[in-house]
Amino acid sequence: AQSVSQHNHHVILSEAASLELGCNYSYGGTVNLFWYVQYPGQHLQLLLKYFSGDPLVKGIKGFEAEFIKSKFSFNLRKPSVQWSDTAEYFCAVPRGGGSYIPTFGRGTSLIVHP
Amino acid sequence: NAGVTQTPKFRVLKTGQSMTLLCAQDMNHEYMYWYRQDPGMGLRLIHYSVGEGTTAKGEVPDGYNVSRLKKQNFLLGLESAAPSQTSVYFCASSYAGQGPETQYFGPGTRLLVL
Repeated sequence: AQSVSQHNHHVILSEAASLELGCNYSYGGTVNLFWYVQYPGQHLQLLLKYFSGDPLVKGIKGFEAEFIKSKFSFNLRKPSVQWSDTAEYFCAVPRGGGSYIPTFGRGTSLIVHP
Repeated sequence: NAGVTQTPKFRVLKTGQSMTLLCAQDMNHEYMYWYRQDPGMGLRLIHYSVGEGTTAKGEVPDGYNVSRLKKQNFLLGLESAAPSQTSVYFCASSYAGQGPETQYFGPGTRLLVL
């Protein structure tokens, strides 16, 4: 079954800094990839997703992610973070073996100081 | 559309007590899921359902039961609560047309078992 690794568990940045959060999945082939965000006290919501085509995916609020097949990676980026980006970010990928049910990474907690 | 709603929002139980968490969605989604979220563990799938009257076990099903008697509702039961079940519980739904991996989450139920 697929597994997902998020390397950064806690990230602290100042406003206007650039952000990159790592996500790696365990094996290749056709894969759909997702980033979800959970703002403080709120539920998870989809930030962006990759199914096929252009490996650079743009999501809401200026976020983007790049699928690099050779590295089994789907890193999340934002050129200039804002205080309102403070949240927990989860990478997800279908479990594999014909299952569409996603498996989630352990999450990265991002704190942005104003 | 209310989306995905969960009842209750917060509950305190004593060890051994039972309770049922209700998830409702008004989007006519076929698939519904129950997750638990614990610090540093990400989201772990408890049970899921691919349609009315069907349920299946996820990663951490022990101590929980589910039922999906109506398409719009997915109930999660704890027969005899244990402190290890203290967690935040999220319900989610999805549908085949958008890719079932694209999930819509409820606001969560915070459960404390003493």
